[in-house]
Amino acid sequence: DQQVKQNSPSLSVQEGRISILNCDYTNSMFDYFLWYKKYPAEGPTFLISISSIKDKNEDGRFTVFLNKSAKHLSLHIVPSQPGDSAVYFCAGDQKTSYDKVIFGPGTSLSVIP
Amino acid sequence: NAGVTQTPKFRVLKTGQSMTLLCAQDMNHEYMYWYRQDPGMGLRLIHYSVGEGTTAKGEVPDGYNVSRLKKQNFLLGLESAAPSQTSVYFCASSYRRGNTEAFFGQGTRLTVV
Repeated sequence: DQQVKQNSPSLSVQEGRISILNCDYTNSMFDYFLWYKKYPAEGPTFLISISSIKDKNEDGRFTVFLNKSAKHLSLHIVPSQPGDSAVYFCAGDQKTSYDKVIFGPGTSLSVIP
Repeated sequence: NAGVTQTPKFRVLKTGQSMTLLCAQDMNHEYMYWYRQDPGMGLRLIHYSVGEGTTAKGEVPDGYNVSRLKKQNFLLGLESAAPSQTSVYFCASSYRRGNTEAFFGQGTRLTVV
């Protein structure tokens, strides 16, 4: 039973266009959602997060949207750059339970020059 | 800035052999974690520690043991390796829990034959 789902294993986008990565969750107890980015042969690095009481958080080219009623969040990258090509993990964080940081399976983004 | 360092980076074990993975962080973080990453499964928490001398089980603890004798080090042990433990292992650390970014090591690719 996957609590965090990323149903698109891969995504290809042209440079300069918008990349939209989607994430669905089933655990309504998550307090925060985080996005991590991972390059090959490296560990994941934190990208952006959003509190469950917010519906949008923006940081430069990256914006995360949260729709609590639909249990859905998305990461928008505008404009996409070739250096954004990586695997993106969505994660849900439940503060009251130490082991409840649940990661999705990841989406591999390719930005084509 | 070293951040989080994992050793070794690669290892091949025979079934039944034992080994220890070492994680070291130089950021004075209280919390440390061991994850495993398998295709299509995201990152799953094996064990974690909320401070020196403490450890706790995560989502998939069976077959692993951990120790946190020093604040900066978190060791993951496999007493009797099995092919199902073939995976990429990531160590991470964070200052505190809850909407705070975790810093990951570069990973250890372990193959059990």
